[in-house]
Amino acid sequence: AQSVTQPDIHITVSEGASLELRCNYSYGATPYLFWYVQSPGQGLQLLLKYFSGDTLVQGIKGFESEFKRSQSSFNLRKPSVHWSDAAEYFCAVGARVTGRRALTFGSGTRLQVQP
Amino acid sequence: GAGVSQTPSNKVTEKGKYVELRCDPISGHTALYWYRQSLGQGPEFLIYFQGTGAADDSGLPNDRFFAVRPEGSVSTLKIQRTERGDSAVYLCASSIQGDFEQYFGPGTRLTVT
Repeated sequence: AQSVTQPDIHITVSEGASLELRCNYSYGATPYLFWYVQSPGQGLQLLLKYFSGDTLVQGIKGFESEFKRSQSSFNLRKPSVHWSDAAEYFCAVGARVTGRRALTFGSGTRLQVQP
Repeated sequence: GAGVSQTPSNKVTEKGKYVELRCDPISGHTALYWYRQSLGQGPEFLIYFQGTGAADDSGLPNDRFFAVRPEGSVSTLKIQRTERGDSAVYLCASSIQGDFEQYFGPGTRLTVT
């Protein structure tokens, strides 16, 4: 079974600073990879996804992620953080198995943005 | 267009009671998913419907949990004999024909007292 680790429970950055949120996964093959954002009282919004091809993936709101097979990682990056980016971020994986559509999520990283 | 909607937004019930949580997916989405999110955790998969049938119910924790989708659109998650450990936010998502790109609703916060 696959698993996802987000080692940072809470991160604080200054507005305008760069951001990197870590995600490591465990799976026997290359999974489908996702980043979601959850604001208080809101549902999860998909930021970006990786299925195959180019390992550098661009998402919405200026976020990007790079799939690194050798490190089993899919870290989320943003060059300049805005106050509105404060939220909880979840990395998720999906198994490349026929009939399986369940996503396995990490425990999340809460981002706080200082003015 | 309208997103995934869930009702009620909040539900408080007593231990031992029965509850139903409703999910209305995006129009035209044939796949529907239920997840449970406990405090401080990421969502955990419960069940996946393709059309009217449950294609994968491997995440349902025990036989107190049951879900239906009789007409292939709205789904109801049913929990019998609720326990305090069932307290969580129950999230519903939908996608086009089982596409991995899942769109989530705002969730129902269930509190069992």
